[in-house]
Amino acid sequence: DQQVKQNSPSLSVQEGRISILNCDYTNSMFDYFLWYKKYPAEGPTFLISISSIKDKNEDGRFTVFLNKSAKHLSLHIVPSQPGDSAVYFCAAQNRLDSGSARQLTFGSGTQLTVLP
Amino acid sequence: GAGVSQSPSNKVTEKGKDVELRCDPISGHTALYWYRQSLGQGLEFLIYFQGNSAPDKSGLPSDRFSAERTGGSVSTLTIQRTQQEDSAVYLCASSPYVGEQFFGPGTRLTVL
Repeated sequence: DQQVKQNSPSLSVQEGRISILNCDYTNSMFDYFLWYKKYPAEGPTFLISISSIKDKNEDGRFTVFLNKSAKHLSLHIVPSQPGDSAVYFCAAQNRLDSGSARQLTFGSGTQLTVLP
Repeated sequence: GAGVSQSPSNKVTEKGKDVELRCDPISGHTALYWYRQSLGQGLEFLIYFQGNSAPDKSGLPSDRFSAERTGGSVSTLTIQRTQQEDSAVYLCASSPYVGEQFFGPGTRLTVL
């Protein structure tokens, strides 16, 4: 039972255009969401996060949107650059329940390719 | 400063052998996590250490898997009697008590 789903395994975008990566979740206990970026042979690198009390968080070219009622979040990258080409993982966490491990529940990832 | 390091970077072993994977977390991080990523899959949580508390082992897939964390720092993940389905990239992450997790580069385990 996948609690975090990334339904698009791959996405190709032209350089300079917007990249939109989507993620859906089913567990209503999740209250913190993160995006990680992963290059081959490297560990995931934290990119941006959002708390469930917000609906938007922006950091430079990266913006994450959260729609709690739809249990959906998205990562927007604009303008996209060839160096953004990587696998992007959506992850969710329950931070309020201190009795549980603060492990991240990950989606299966989306391979983004930005074409020059 | 130094990030999370893991060793070895690659490990090839024969079915039935035991393996040990090592993780050196970021100094001062109290939390340490092990995940694994099988081919085409997302990261799967295995085990979590927080300070001196008993670890959360709820993600370990079988009793062939165990982990320990010595002195609140270095951790080793041991897989006994390895099976082919254990082949994956094993990732370690550390974090402050509350904060984002920082990942190591992973150990690619191949069980022949």
